[in-house]
Amino acid sequence: DAGITQSPRHKVTETGTPVTLRCHQTENHRYMYWYRQDPGHGLRLIHYSYGVKDTDKGEVSDGYSVSRSKTEDFLLTLESATSSQTSVYFCAISPRADKDEQFFGPGTRLTVL
Amino acid sequence: GDSVTQMEGPVTLSEEAFLTINCTYTATGYPSLFWYVQYPGEGLQLLLKATKADDKGSNKGFEATYRKETTSFHLEKGSVQVSDSAVYFCALRAGGGADGLTFGKGTHLIIQP
Repeated sequence: DAGITQSPRHKVTETGTPVTLRCHQTENHRYMYWYRQDPGHGLRLIHYSYGVKDTDKGEVSDGYSVSRSKTEDFLLTLESATSSQTSVYFCAISPRADKDEQFFGPGTRLTVL
Repeated sequence: GDSVTQMEGPVTLSEEAFLTINCTYTATGYPSLFWYVQYPGEGLQLLLKATKADDKGSNKGFEATYRKETTSFHLEKGSVQVSDSAVYFCALRAGGGADGLTFGKGTHLIIQP
């Protein structure tokens, strides 16, 4: 299995509070991704990174920001959490761009009350 | 834009039955195609992939053939087991950059003994 960990694995927070989710990899892969999984939607891309300090927006980026200061860590921040951001968040990594597969972490279940 | 359509289910079968989960796609160019599996409470695992037309991906008794003429990548297994119960996602990656996978909404498969 690819060495990907996510923390925390579960979090309950209140509307309006900031939240940061962490993805850590031990594979030294260049590309990292954040997705959210919601019933009836499959997985949707939030943000991705193609190198240290290099990030870009995905399909559902509103209300989220990311940072990548080291190859191994990719942080997802909800500046002011809303109930619509209640979801399961998955991090993924890939050694190359283009058409390669991605490897997924175990997920973080976030509940915003 | 790119899209993936798959039957959502739940699909309920008896053990040893034949399985087909349909997947069709819309994409520019020549995408890579993937099937991922998600067991309860876990992240997504790559099940199989195909990178060009007429390629057949296979793993753990599952197979899928990349059909460019029908833009399809149907998942099949000859004899399912209770342990195959999971959610299955069809996905594509169109390439040309570092962006993410495009997923179908997932098919919940239930195998009864």
